[in-house]
Amino acid sequence: NAGVTQTPKFQVLKTGQSMTLQCAQDMNHEYMSWYRQDPGMGLRLIHYSVGAGITDQGEVPNGYNVSRSTTEDFPLRLLSAAPSQTSVYFCASSYYQGSTGELFFGEGSRLTVL
Amino acid sequence: ELKVEQNPLFLSMQEGKNYTIYCNYSTTSDRLYWYRQDPGKSLESLFVLLSNGAVKQEGRLMASLDTKARLSTLHITAAVHDLSATYFCAVAVIQGAQKLVFGQGTRLTINP
Repeated sequence: NAGVTQTPKFQVLKTGQSMTLQCAQDMNHEYMSWYRQDPGMGLRLIHYSVGAGITDQGEVPNGYNVSRSTTEDFPLRLLSAAPSQTSVYFCASSYYQGSTGELFFGEGSRLTVL
Repeated sequence: ELKVEQNPLFLSMQEGKNYTIYCNYSTTSDRLYWYRQDPGKSLESLFVLLSNGAVKQEGRLMASLDTKARLSTLHITAAVHDLSATYFCAVAVIQGAQKLVFGQGTRLTINP
Protein backbone atom coordinates (compact mmCIF):
# COMPACT_ATOMS: atom_id res chain seq x y z
CA ASN A 1 0.00 0.00 0.00
CA ALA A 2 1.23 3.49 -0.85
CA GLY A 3 -0.76 5.15 1.97
CA VAL A 4 -1.28 8.89 1.38
CA THR A 5 0.44 10.26 -1.72
CA GLN A 6 0.91 13.98 -2.37
CA THR A 7 2.13 15.69 -5.52
CA PRO A 8 4.06 17.79 -6.21
CA LYS A 9 6.60 17.70 -3.38
CA PHE A 10 7.97 21.13 -4.25
CA GLN A 11 6.45 24.04 -6.16
CA VAL A 12 7.35 27.69 -6.75
CA LEU A 13 4.60 30.05 -7.90
CA LYS A 14 4.35 33.71 -8.70
CA THR A 15 1.76 35.86 -6.96
CA GLY A 16 -1.60 35.51 -8.68
CA GLN A 17 -0.95 32.11 -10.25
CA SER A 18 -3.23 29.19 -9.53
CA MET A 19 -2.36 25.57 -8.93
CA THR A 20 -3.68 22.31 -7.53
CA LEU A 21 -2.03 20.12 -4.91
CA GLN A 22 -2.98 16.50 -5.43
CA CYS A 23 -3.71 14.01 -2.65
CA ALA A 24 -4.62 10.35 -3.06
CA GLN A 25 -5.03 7.56 -0.52
CA ASP A 26 -5.45 3.83 -1.05
CA MET A 27 -6.65 2.86 2.43
CA ASN A 28 -10.37 3.35 1.73
CA HIS A 29 -10.50 6.11 4.34
CA GLU A 30 -13.69 8.14 4.46
CA TYR A 31 -12.09 11.18 6.09
CA MET A 32 -9.53 13.34 4.29
CA SER A 33 -8.11 16.70 5.23
CA TRP A 34 -5.58 19.37 4.32
CA TYR A 35 -3.34 21.11 6.86
CA ARG A 36 -0.73 23.78 6.44
CA GLN A 37 2.36 23.93 8.62
CA ASP A 38 4.09 27.19 9.40
CA PRO A 39 7.03 27.69 11.79
CA GLY A 40 5.94 28.03 15.42
CA MET A 41 2.26 27.50 14.62
CA GLY A 42 1.85 23.77 14.47
CA LEU A 43 -0.54 22.49 11.84
CA ARG A 44 -3.75 24.32 10.95
CA LEU A 45 -6.73 22.71 9.26
CA ILE A 46 -7.69 24.19 5.88
CA HIS A 47 -10.51 21.96 4.59
CA TYR A 48 -11.77 18.48 5.29
CA SER A 49 -14.14 15.88 3.86
CA VAL A 50 -16.03 12.99 5.45
CA GLY A 51 -16.89 11.30 2.16
CA ALA A 52 -17.32 11.75 -1.56
CA GLY A 53 -19.34 14.88 -2.33
CA ILE A 54 -19.01 16.27 1.22
CA THR A 55 -16.52 18.99 2.16
CA ASP A 56 -16.30 21.59 4.90
CA GLN A 57 -14.08 24.43 6.00
CA GLY A 58 -11.44 24.22 8.68
CA GLU A 59 -9.64 26.94 10.58
CA VAL A 60 -7.92 28.72 7.65
CA PRO A 61 -9.96 28.13 4.45
CA ASN A 62 -9.62 31.50 2.70
CA GLY A 63 -7.87 31.33 -0.66
CA TYR A 64 -8.31 27.57 -1.01
CA ASN A 65 -10.91 25.34 -2.66
CA VAL A 66 -11.44 21.60 -2.40
CA SER A 67 -13.67 18.97 -3.94
CA ARG A 68 -14.16 15.25 -3.28
CA SER A 69 -15.48 13.39 -6.29
CA THR A 70 -14.06 10.00 -5.26
CA THR A 71 -13.14 8.33 -1.97
CA GLU A 72 -9.49 8.20 -3.01
CA ASP A 73 -8.76 11.77 -4.12
CA PHE A 74 -8.91 15.13 -2.37
CA PRO A 75 -7.23 17.93 -4.37
CA LEU A 76 -6.52 21.36 -2.89
CA ARG A 77 -6.76 24.33 -5.25
CA LEU A 78 -5.08 27.68 -4.72
CA LEU A 79 -7.14 30.17 -6.68
CA SER A 80 -4.76 33.15 -6.79
CA ALA A 81 -1.55 32.48 -4.90
CA ALA A 82 -0.29 35.01 -2.37
CA PRO A 83 3.04 35.12 -0.48
CA SER A 84 1.11 34.38 2.74
CA GLN A 85 0.35 30.94 1.29
CA THR A 86 4.02 30.00 1.35
CA SER A 87 3.96 26.95 3.58
CA VAL A 88 4.26 23.20 3.80
CA TYR A 89 0.97 21.47 3.06
CA PHE A 90 0.02 18.07 4.44
CA CYS A 91 -2.82 15.85 3.36
CA ALA A 92 -4.08 13.39 5.98
CA SER A 93 -6.72 10.68 6.03
CA SER A 94 -8.40 8.34 8.48
CA TYR A 95 -11.35 6.07 8.97
CA TYR A 96 -14.36 8.03 10.12
CA GLN A 97 -17.07 6.71 12.40
CA GLY A 98 -16.25 3.95 14.81
CA SER A 99 -12.51 4.46 14.57
CA THR A 100 -9.84 6.00 16.80
CA GLY A 101 -9.58 8.96 14.45
CA GLU A 102 -5.85 8.45 14.01
CA LEU A 103 -4.67 10.50 11.04
CA PHE A 104 -2.21 9.19 8.47
CA PHE A 105 -0.18 11.89 6.75
CA GLY A 106 1.32 12.29 3.32
CA GLU A 107 4.93 13.38 2.80
CA GLY A 108 4.03 17.03 2.40
CA SER A 109 4.17 19.60 -0.40
CA ARG A 110 6.45 22.60 0.05
CA LEU A 111 5.02 25.67 -1.70
CA THR A 112 6.81 28.97 -2.19
CA VAL A 113 4.94 31.98 -3.55
CA LEU A 114 7.11 34.83 -4.81
CA GLU B 1 -12.83 27.47 20.40
CA LEU B 2 -10.38 24.72 21.23
CA LYS B 3 -6.82 25.84 21.90
CA VAL B 4 -3.89 23.51 22.46
CA GLU B 5 -0.66 24.62 24.09
CA GLN B 6 2.54 22.68 24.47
CA ASN B 7 5.46 23.42 26.70
CA PRO B 8 8.28 23.70 26.46
CA LEU B 9 8.53 24.68 22.79
CA PHE B 10 12.25 23.96 22.72
CA LEU B 11 14.08 21.40 24.81
CA SER B 12 17.74 20.52 24.76
CA MET B 13 18.79 17.66 26.94
CA GLN B 14 21.57 15.19 27.49
CA GLU B 15 21.46 11.54 26.71
CA GLY B 16 20.41 9.45 29.67
CA LYS B 17 18.24 12.13 31.27
CA ASN B 18 14.48 12.08 31.81
CA TYR B 19 12.08 14.81 30.81
CA THR B 20 8.39 15.56 30.23
CA ILE B 21 6.55 17.51 27.54
CA TYR B 22 3.19 18.96 28.53
CA CYS B 23 0.10 19.45 26.39
CA ASN B 24 -2.76 21.55 27.77
CA TYR B 25 -6.06 22.10 25.98
CA SER B 26 -8.88 24.52 26.62
CA THR B 27 -12.17 22.65 26.10
CA THR B 28 -13.56 19.19 26.70
CA SER B 29 -12.33 16.45 24.40
CA ASP B 30 -12.13 12.68 24.59
CA ARG B 31 -9.29 11.99 22.19
CA LEU B 32 -5.68 13.09 22.13
CA TYR B 33 -2.86 12.13 19.81
CA TRP B 34 0.92 12.43 19.86
CA TYR B 35 2.92 12.68 16.65
CA ARG B 36 6.61 12.82 15.87
CA GLN B 37 8.13 14.79 12.99
CA ASP B 38 11.73 14.57 11.81
CA PRO B 39 13.14 17.60 9.93
CA GLY B 40 11.70 17.85 6.42
CA LYS B 41 9.58 14.75 6.93
CA SER B 42 5.96 13.83 7.49
CA LEU B 43 4.22 13.23 10.81
CA GLU B 44 4.36 9.79 12.36
CA SER B 45 1.70 8.68 14.82
CA LEU B 46 3.08 7.74 18.23
CA PHE B 47 0.12 7.39 20.59
CA VAL B 48 -3.67 7.54 20.55
CA LEU B 49 -5.23 8.28 23.96
CA LEU B 50 -8.98 7.73 24.10
CA SER B 51 -10.03 7.93 27.73
CA ASN B 52 -9.31 9.57 31.03
CA GLY B 53 -6.35 7.91 32.72
CA ALA B 54 -5.13 6.30 29.51
CA VAL B 55 -1.43 5.49 29.53
CA LYS B 56 0.51 4.20 26.54
CA GLN B 57 4.19 3.25 26.38
CA GLU B 58 6.52 2.52 23.49
CA GLY B 59 10.20 2.09 24.25
CA ARG B 60 11.50 5.17 26.08
CA LEU B 61 8.31 7.18 25.50
CA MET B 62 5.22 7.13 27.67
CA ALA B 63 2.09 9.22 27.15
CA SER B 64 -0.78 9.82 29.54
CA LEU B 65 -4.09 11.65 29.49
CA ASP B 66 -6.03 13.42 32.25
CA THR B 67 -9.26 14.67 30.68
CA LYS B 68 -10.42 16.35 33.88
CA ALA B 69 -7.29 18.50 34.02
CA ARG B 70 -7.27 18.79 30.18
CA LEU B 71 -3.64 17.71 30.23
CA SER B 72 -1.52 15.14 28.49
CA THR B 73 2.13 14.40 29.13
CA LEU B 74 4.80 12.76 27.01
CA HIS B 75 7.56 11.41 29.23
CA ILE B 76 10.98 10.53 27.90
CA THR B 77 13.06 8.09 29.91
CA ALA B 78 16.85 7.83 29.57
CA ALA B 79 16.88 9.85 26.35
CA VAL B 80 18.92 8.76 23.36
CA HIS B 81 19.98 10.81 20.33
CA ASP B 82 17.53 9.00 18.02
CA LEU B 83 14.65 10.62 19.88
CA SER B 84 15.66 14.07 18.63
CA ALA B 85 12.64 15.36 16.68
CA THR B 86 9.66 17.70 16.96
CA TYR B 87 6.74 16.29 18.93
CA PHE B 88 3.17 17.45 18.43
CA CYS B 89 0.07 16.79 20.46
CA ALA B 90 -3.30 17.08 18.75
CA VAL B 91 -6.75 17.18 20.32
CA ALA B 92 -10.01 16.18 18.67
CA VAL B 93 -12.76 18.77 18.35
CA ILE B 94 -15.57 16.86 20.01
CA GLN B 95 -18.36 18.23 17.83
CA GLY B 96 -17.66 16.28 14.74
CA ALA B 97 -15.49 14.53 12.20
CA GLN B 98 -11.85 13.88 12.91
CA LYS B 99 -10.97 17.56 13.13
CA LEU B 100 -7.80 17.87 15.14
CA VAL B 101 -6.29 20.99 16.65
CA PHE B 102 -2.51 20.78 16.96
CA GLY B 103 -0.19 22.27 19.52
CA GLN B 104 2.77 24.37 18.36
CA GLY B 105 5.17 21.47 18.66
CA THR B 106 8.14 20.82 20.95
CA ARG B 107 11.52 20.68 19.27
CA LEU B 108 13.58 18.17 21.21
CA THR B 109 17.35 17.98 20.80
CA ILE B 110 19.25 15.27 22.62
CA ASN B 111 22.98 15.78 22.92
CA PRO B 112 25.53 13.02 23.47
